[in-house]
Amino acid sequence: RKEVEQDPGPFNVPEGATVAFNCTYSNSASQSFFWYRQDCRKEPKLLMSVYSSGNEDGRFTAQLNRASQYISLLIRDSKLSDSATYLCVRNRDDKIIFGKGTRLHILP
Amino acid sequence: GAGVSQSPRYKVAKRGQDVALRCDPISGHVSLFWYQQALGQGPEFLTYFQNEAQLDKSGLPSDRFFAERPEGSVSTLKIQRTQQEDSAVYLCASSQLGEQFFGPGTRLTVL
Repeated sequence: RKEVEQDPGPFNVPEGATVAFNCTYSNSASQSFFWYRQDCRKEPKLLMSVYSSGNEDGRFTAQLNRASQYISLLIRDSKLSDSATYLCVRNRDDKIIFGKGTRLHILP
Repeated sequence: GAGVSQSPRYKVAKRGQDVALRCDPISGHVSLFWYQQALGQGPEFLTYFQNEAQLDKSGLPSDRFFAERPEGSVSTLKIQRTQQEDSAVYLCASSQLGEQFFGPGTRLTVL
């Protein structure tokens, strides 16, 4: 298994729907996780950190499942502006590994 | 400025030419990272500095790639004898307390 794996998508979702995608990781060593968002031809920007206890920020919820070695991102009431690539990021001892990203298209 | 800046934003090089890409991190940020992002891929880690010390260069694809940060602030990524497979966006990020802030990247095209 690659260190960080994501379904590349694209996920085509109607506006207002709920969408969720996962990221699986190998190596169970202590590490932290993040979701970044990257718009086309732009740099990645931090969306949210991921905690075992779950982390919610408005319409976005991130979760870490250490037993099954995956993290998830849930977007509720999706907006057209949510269209982007979502990158799963693992940080272990300042060694940063990005997933290839999941492309999300919100359809009007 | 408040953010990470990179220059040039675009660079076209002939195969075999040397290039130098510059990164100005956020003032006071100790950590600085370089990534290479090919089209349709996530950023791939190249190297990492803490102040002026290069702590990890395991991601540099070949000995043609060299990075430095002599005074612990501005960093330069140098690519010697560029090849077509070096064409990518080169992203720089600085961080403090974990969150990484990315620059806009340098889009390198090798002809």
